[in-house]
Amino acid sequence: QQQVKQSPQSLIVQKGGISIINCAYENTAFDYFPWYQQFPGKGPALLIAIRPDVSEKKEGRFTISFNKSAKQFSLHIMDSQPGDSATYFCAATDHRNKLVFGAGTILRVKS
Amino acid sequence: KAGVTQTPRYLIKTRGQQVTLSCSPISGHRSVSWYQQTPGQGLQFLFEYFSETQRNKGNFPGRFSGRQFSNSRSEMNVSTLELGDSALYLCASSEVRDGTDTQYFGPGTRLTVL
Repeated sequence: QQQVKQSPQSLIVQKGGISIINCAYENTAFDYFPWYQQFPGKGPALLIAIRPDVSEKKEGRFTISFNKSAKQFSLHIMDSQPGDSATYFCAATDHRNKLVFGAGTILRVKS
Repeated sequence: KAGVTQTPRYLIKTRGQQVTLSCSPISGHRSVSWYQQTPGQGLQFLFEYFSETQRNKGNFPGRFSGRQFSNSRSEMNVSTLELGDSALYLCASSEVRDGTDTQYFGPGTRLTVL
């Protein structure tokens, strides 16, 4: 059972553009939604995270938008740079330290 | 602080063998979780240990086991290896941040089963 659905599978964006990755979840018990960035040969690195009591969180060029009623959340990368090229994973947990991950999005930023 | 360290980084085994992977968490972190990453199944939770006790478990067969020591270091063991066990095994340690356990991942151990 895929509890977190992530789209698109891959994304190509021009340098300076906006990258948008979407996720939807099913389990209403989820209460913490982190995004991870993974480069080849490395482990996932925490990028930004949100709790469902807020609708948006911004950290630098990265913004999470959260829609609790639709059970959807998205990552926006503003002014995308070639160095942002990586695989991005959304995740969710119900406070039990067991992350459920989306399938991942391979982002390529063209210079 | 030093990050999560995992050893070895690469491992090649044959079917039927067993393997032990090691993880040292970030200093002060008491929770260690293990995940399996494969191209087909993505990132899947194996188990979590806290204060030497297994606190959560994923949907993996009993061939996958783990333990945690008093210094929070953790090991996972896979017995009777199968070809499908080839994967990147990731360890994550966590701290409470904004009221939630935030997990930080190590670089992983790449296991190849021949």
